[in-house]
This record gives sequence, structure tokens and C-alpha cells, in this order.
Amino acid sequence: DQQVKQNSPSLSVQEGRISILNCDYTNSMFDYFLWYKKYPAEGPTFLISISSIKDKNEDGRFTVFLNKSAKHLSLHIVPSQPGDSAVYFCAASAKNAGGTSYGKLTFGQGTILTVHP
Amino acid sequence: GAGVSQSPRYKVAKRGQDVALRCDPISGHVSLFWYQQALGQGPEFLTYFQNEAQLDKSGLPSDRFFAERPEGSVSTLKIQRTQQEDSAVYLCASSSLAAGGYTFGSGTRLTVV
Repeated sequence: DQQVKQNSPSLSVQEGRISILNCDYTNSMFDYFLWYKKYPAEGPTFLISISSIKDKNEDGRFTVFLNKSAKHLSLHIVPSQPGDSAVYFCAASAKNAGGTSYGKLTFGQGTILTVHP
Repeated sequence: GAGVSQSPRYKVAKRGQDVALRCDPISGHVSLFWYQQALGQGPEFLTYFQNEAQLDKSGLPSDRFFAERPEGSVSTLKIQRTQQEDSAVYLCASSSLAAGGYTFGSGTRLTVV
């Protein structure tokens, strides 16, 4: 049961253009979403997050959009740079029955982004 | 230390062997997580500690997997009688917050032959 899905295994983009990475989820209890970036032989690095009470969060070149009705979120990178080439993971967390969240994450399978000079 | 440190970086074990993987979290971080990442997949949750208390071990795949954090700092993930399906990268992460992005270590790549 894949609760978080990244249906595109890979994405190739020209330097300077926009990269759009997509993520779908099935669990309506998810209320916090994150994007992580991973280089080979390193652990994932936190990139940007969004709470379910918002539909957009922006941080420099990175913007995350959340469409709760469609259970879909996307990460936009503008402009894309060769150093952005990495694996990008979408992740989500949910509050437990007590209404709190300790941060347990459910990850998607990842999308390999390649930015060509 | 400045980051989350995991050791060893690589471990090759013969099937049936016991292994122990170590995680040194960022100093003062209350929360500690273990994840398992199979090849070509995203990380999957194994277990969570708040200080020395193991509050969630729902992701541990079998009773061969055991984790501890006796003094609320360093944590060890132990796998007994390793099987080939245990081959994966084991990631540790720590956080000072209840939610939000946390810091991952570089992982231990376990190969069972």
C-alpha cells in the first residue's frame, strides 16, 4: 500500500528552465508534507515543507504547492541549476490518534532530477 | 558533532550473522528515527525514540530487528540472523522538534551475502 507516490522515476530539464516534480498521496490524515533532496552516498537533506492549512510555500528558487482536494503536491524549482541534479523525495506525516505528531514520515519512491548545462 | 554520524558506512554480512549499526545523533536532539531504504525505493520508517523511550517500533519488519537508545543519545540498530532481504541502506535521523524536517545521517549500507 503505497500511500505516497511519485509516478515519475526521472525528469530531465535544461539549465535555467523550470523543474516540476509531482507527488500524490492517498491518506487523508496526512497534514504535513516535505520535500527532501538526496545526493549519492549521502542522507536525504530537508528542502522545504508545507502544512495542510496552506496551499503554497516558497523559499528562494523552491516553491511547493498543495492541492488537498486532489491529494497532490508539487515542487517547482526556478531556475533549475546543474547542482540541483539529485533524487527528490516527497514525504508526509500525520497526527496520531492523540492529535499530536512526532514526525514519522512516509516517503515516496523518489524522482531523479537531471539538470543539463 | 555537527551532524548525525552513522557507523559503519558499509557492512557486508554473511547470511545468518548478527550485525549492529550505530547512530550518533546531533547533540541535544530528543527525537531519533531509524529508516530502511531498499534499492530504488524511498526510506521506510522502522522505529522512533524520544530520549531513551522507544515510542513507536511499528515499522520493524520482524523480531530479528531490535533498536535501543539506553541513555537518550547514541542508538544502536541490531539485526539478528541476517537475511538477504535485509540488504539496504539504514538511515538514522534526529530532530529537536516534534515535527518538521529532521537531519539524516549518511546511512549504513548493509549487504547480506
